[in-house]
Amino acid sequence: GESVGLHLPTLSVQEGDNSIINCAYSNSASDYFIWYKQESGKGPQFIIDIRSNMDKRQGQRVTVLLNKTVKHLSLQIAATQPGDSAVYFCATREAGTALIFGKGTTLSVSS
Amino acid sequence: EPEVTQTPSHQVTQMGQEVILRCVPISNHLYFYWYRQILGQKVEFLVSFYNNEISEKSEIFDDQFSVERPDGSNFTLKIRSTKLEDSAMYFCASSETRPTGELFFGEGSRLTVL
Repeated sequence: GESVGLHLPTLSVQEGDNSIINCAYSNSASDYFIWYKQESGKGPQFIIDIRSNMDKRQGQRVTVLLNKTVKHLSLQIAATQPGDSAVYFCATREAGTALIFGKGTTLSVSS
Repeated sequence: EPEVTQTPSHQVTQMGQEVILRCVPISNHLYFYWYRQILGQKVEFLVSFYNNEISEKSEIFDDQFSVERPDGSNFTLKIRSTKLEDSAMYFCASSETRPTGELFFGEGSRLTVL
């Protein structure tokens, strides 16, 4: 079955640095990918998504990169701020099926 | 901004009791979901619901669980005869479209089973 995982459970960066959070998925039929941010005690909050017909998508301070060849997804956060401290989840979906979440990376930003 | 609302925010119950968690999805959304998150672990899919019926469910969603849309606004998750391992955060989500619609999550209901 589908499994989604992240390479590192924790990532610590300095304020102003760029952060890269990685995710690997197993199902080559996955066609939709999404990053969520979860702050303590809150529900997951949408950051950015990308479909399988793209390899890069940019938002405000965030970029998602998709490499379907190696089934790898990454989230880049530019000029990381203390408010970016949270747990980040990648999630994938094969058309018509449920969104499956990875384990999460805790991003800690120190000023 | 429209949001998904969940009640209660925290419920404590005794093992073996029945629990109902309530959700009000975003009003124009058609697809509804329940996920759970055991403390410190990943968010796990339980069930999706569309057109008044379950469209997909995970292995976790066994006969102990049921969902219902009793009226035009609420979406409920019932857990019969709760077990200690049911203690978790339960998140409701909704989306306007599927398969590529973004899921909007509520703040969650924390269930503690003693």
